[in-house]
Amino acid sequence: GAVVSQHPSWVICKSGTSVKIECRSLDFQATTMFWYRQFPKQSLMLMATSNEGSKATYEQGVEKDKFLINHASLTLSTLTVTSAHPEDSSFYICSASATLAKNIQYFGAGTRLSVL
Amino acid sequence: GQQLNQSPQSMFIQEGEDVSMNCTSSSIFNTWLWYKQDPGEGPVLLIALYKAGELTSNGRLTAQFGITRKDSFLNISASIPSDVGIYFCAGQQLDSSYKLIFGSGTRLLVRP
Repeated sequence: GAVVSQHPSWVICKSGTSVKIECRSLDFQATTMFWYRQFPKQSLMLMATSNEGSKATYEQGVEKDKFLINHASLTLSTLTVTSAHPEDSSFYICSASATLAKNIQYFGAGTRLSVL
Repeated sequence: GQQLNQSPQSMFIQEGEDVSMNCTSSSIFNTWLWYKQDPGEGPVLLIALYKAGELTSNGRLTAQFGITRKDSFLNISASIPSDVGIYFCAGQQLDSSYKLIFGSGTRLLVRP
C-alpha cells in the first residue's frame, strides 16, 4: 500500500506558540491531502482539503487563520497550528490520495499535540 | 449533512469467534472503505469497495458494498487477539472533492 509519513509523532508546546506538522507521501505523488482532527474515543473530523499549488478548502467551523495549511509540492503538505492554546490539544492526522490510485486516502500515523 | 450509522459501537468477543459490523447511510456513495485504527496510530486501509453488490475479501476479512449503495458490512472470521482495535467505515462522496464521511467506529476487544 501507499506510504504516508507524518512528523512529528507527538509534540508538547507552550500556550501561544506555533506548531508545524508535516505530511509526506513517500512512494506516490498525492493529488490531494486531507487534514483531520480526532478527539479521544471519537471518529475522525475533517478539517481541510489541500490540493498542490492551490489554497486549502476548510470545513465549516475550522478557522483558516488558526490552522494554516501549505501544500507546496505533490509529496508534502504542512499544517501549522498558530498561537496554540490548550483547547487545540488533540490528535491530528493527515491523509493523501492520488487520482491514479482511485483517490483512496492513505493515512499518516498521526501527531499528538499537547498544549500546556 | 451526510451521516453514517455504524454498529455495533463495541464488541467484546472470544478468540476464534466471527465478528460482523455494518454501516448505513441516508445517502449513496461511490466507494465504501473499511479502516482499522490502533491506539495512537492513523487508520490503516483494510478493504476498498467500488461497485454496488461487490464482495471483497482480504485474508480473514470480508466486506460488501450494499446493492442500494447506502450500506456496507465487514466480517472478520476466526478472530485473533491482534484484531483488537477500532474499525471505521467510510463512504467517499460523489463529488470531485473525494472527501470521506466516517462512521463512528466499532471498538473490538478479543478475549484470548
